[in-house]
Amino acid sequence: AQKITQTQPGMFVQEKEAVTLDCTYDTSDPSYGLFWYKQPSSGEMIFLIYQGSYDQQNATEGRYSLNFQKARKSANLVISASQLGDSAMYFCAMREGPGAAGNKLTFGGGTRVLVKP
Amino acid sequence: GAGVSQSPSNKVTEKGKDVELRCDPISGHTALYWYRQRLGQGLEFLIYFQGNSAPDKSGLPSDRFSAERTGESVSTLTIQRTQQEDSAVYLCASTPATSGRAIFTGELFFGEGSRLTVL
Repeated sequence: AQKITQTQPGMFVQEKEAVTLDCTYDTSDPSYGLFWYKQPSSGEMIFLIYQGSYDQQNATEGRYSLNFQKARKSANLVISASQLGDSAMYFCAMREGPGAAGNKLTFGGGTRVLVKP
Repeated sequence: GAGVSQSPSNKVTEKGKDVELRCDPISGHTALYWYRQRLGQGLEFLIYFQGNSAPDKSGLPSDRFSAERTGESVSTLTIQRTQQEDSAVYLCASTPATSGRAIFTGELFFGEGSRLTVL
């Protein structure tokens, strides 16, 4: 079974509007972390936001927020007020186990976002 | 350096040749990871180093792939007898073990990757 599933291969969003990128995950480990990374066409992986499994509140970082629904095992990324520079691939990833133990991240297949002016 | 450095940035080789890809992690980062990204796809884990040892090699796709790390710093990923299906971007990432938020979250700091094309 896929550990991280991103069901939207690509989407368009109008500049200045909000967009939600879906991510569902599968783990039986009670301690885990969820990440979103952005990959522009230049190829580098840019960390956006992190949510720990024990965090009580949804994570927010500027225009990025993570809609964490633990019972549904979903961790959707919301980008508010989209900008042209937001056009990129977005990857959801999961760490199973504690962060300090060197547990690897497992990535989803990504969602390509294109922001239209 | 300020970030994770990888070389070469681009490598074109002929099928059957050996290639070496280098990763220089952020200074002081003791954990180092290699990932592979095929065109249009997500990242596949290859191998993880803690210091100079590799406790997790589970992602290496075949015995043609190997990696080593020396001096708790530079790592080299070697692909022997390259095949066309090895064509991909190979990404290296590091993470600290002693300070900063990343030791709790497990956040990875990535290099810009080495694009390998096997003809």
